[in-house]
Amino acid sequence: ETGVTQTPRHLVMGMTNKKSLKCEQHLGHNAMYWYKQSAKKPLELMFVYSLEERVENNSVPSRFSPECPNSSHLFLHLHTLQPEDSALYLCASSLFTGELFFGEGSRLTVL
Amino acid sequence: GIQVEQSPPDLILQEGANSTLRCNFSDSVNNLQWFHQNPWGQLINLFYIPSGTKQNGRLSATTVATERYSLLYISSSQTTDSGVYFCAVKETSGSRLTFGEGTQLTVNP
Repeated sequence: ETGVTQTPRHLVMGMTNKKSLKCEQHLGHNAMYWYKQSAKKPLELMFVYSLEERVENNSVPSRFSPECPNSSHLFLHLHTLQPEDSALYLCASSLFTGELFFGEGSRLTVL
Repeated sequence: GIQVEQSPPDLILQEGANSTLRCNFSDSVNNLQWFHQNPWGQLINLFYIPSGTKQNGRLSATTVATERYSLLYISSSQTTDSGVYFCAVKETSGSRLTFGEGTQLTVNP
């Protein structure tokens, strides 16, 4: 138990579906992150939120839409995804830019 | 951006053996972490070690920031140590953590 909880753990969706990934942290951190891990590739940073404001967006396609309603919650809204978007999506949090703590991940399969 | 190289990419050990994993980075850092990714995908924090030496049970880590490398030592390895070990660094002038490609460790009984 790292203090960062992700749901759902597994998600299968069609290319026309709309779904959301949820992340919640109980560590009192003020920064939250979405990472993508595809097979045989290093972790890729997608989005960073600091104090609920998006501070980084690494050229992620608009079919991925993040939302950070408060410092404890982070969402990744998914729509019209492609099969190549199938991957493990990892949420993390930190206090400012200090030590990073990860959730258990959400494994996404796009059919 | 900063480059992070981990070696070896793959390592196979017999239970009880010791090992050393290496992480080289190309610029000054103020944050370095070692993670273990278990078979279910979760990244477990092992060490937060921008400099110096730390130990936690059978694991220890050393970062020599001036020479831009970090080492992770695993002693008396167990099958549960299997998985991918990642090094991640944040350069002093940056704000993001950059991950290496990992070392895939397999410990056989």
